[in-house]
Amino acid sequence: GQNIDQPTEMTATEGAIVQINCTYQTSGFNGLFWYQQHAGEAPTFLSYNVLDGLEEKGRFSSFLSRSKGYSYLLLKELQMKDSASYLCAYGSGGYNKLIFGAGTRLAVHP
Amino acid sequence: GAVVSQHPSWVICKSGTSVKIECRSLDFQATTMFWYRQFPKQSLMLMATSNEGSKATYEQGVEKDKFLINHASLTLSTLTVTSAHPEDSSFYICSARAVGVPQNSPLHFGNGTRLTVT
Repeated sequence: GQNIDQPTEMTATEGAIVQINCTYQTSGFNGLFWYQQHAGEAPTFLSYNVLDGLEEKGRFSSFLSRSKGYSYLLLKELQMKDSASYLCAYGSGGYNKLIFGAGTRLAVHP
Repeated sequence: GAVVSQHPSWVICKSGTSVKIECRSLDFQATTMFWYRQFPKQSLMLMATSNEGSKATYEQGVEKDKFLINHASLTLSTLTVTSAHPEDSSFYICSARAVGVPQNSPLHFGNGTRLTVT
């Protein structure tokens, strides 16, 4: 397998906050990345962490703990348009290719 | 900035034929491009790393003679699916990282090509 895990599905209410967790195992790590993907479309970049800690970008924040092999994506003030799949990926190898998790399908309901 | 264009967006071909997919970086140069494949409700699986002017590096289990990659310039990489079969039907997506940016910078993705083999 790809040694990167995230929940398959999550549901949340419009206006709420949701946290999507991601754990990974790799011997060569160079960054943890979060992408959003709507059905039938290509992924769009959301946030990434190279060092431990929290990175905030508007409604989206991402956290990384390298020692624990753990990251999360925090989405605030959820909107209906946030219903999508959220993919975490770690960078690895000489060209820092991205290895993706299976994705978390988030459904936001009124 | 950092726009990646992929062509065609979708293609239907008959079993046994070959299909070429183009990936272009429109406003930046990319020494390295990555080709991914995504089956329905599954994640992106890396197929190969494409390097300008050299041979591509394929992931384990990906047949290099079936999926031909040519990275002829700093703005263009092509993936040719040779002798396509119905099981090759998938969403193929390329991505690129600009020359000169740190390697831990994000990848920019093309819009993908949906291939259907009948």
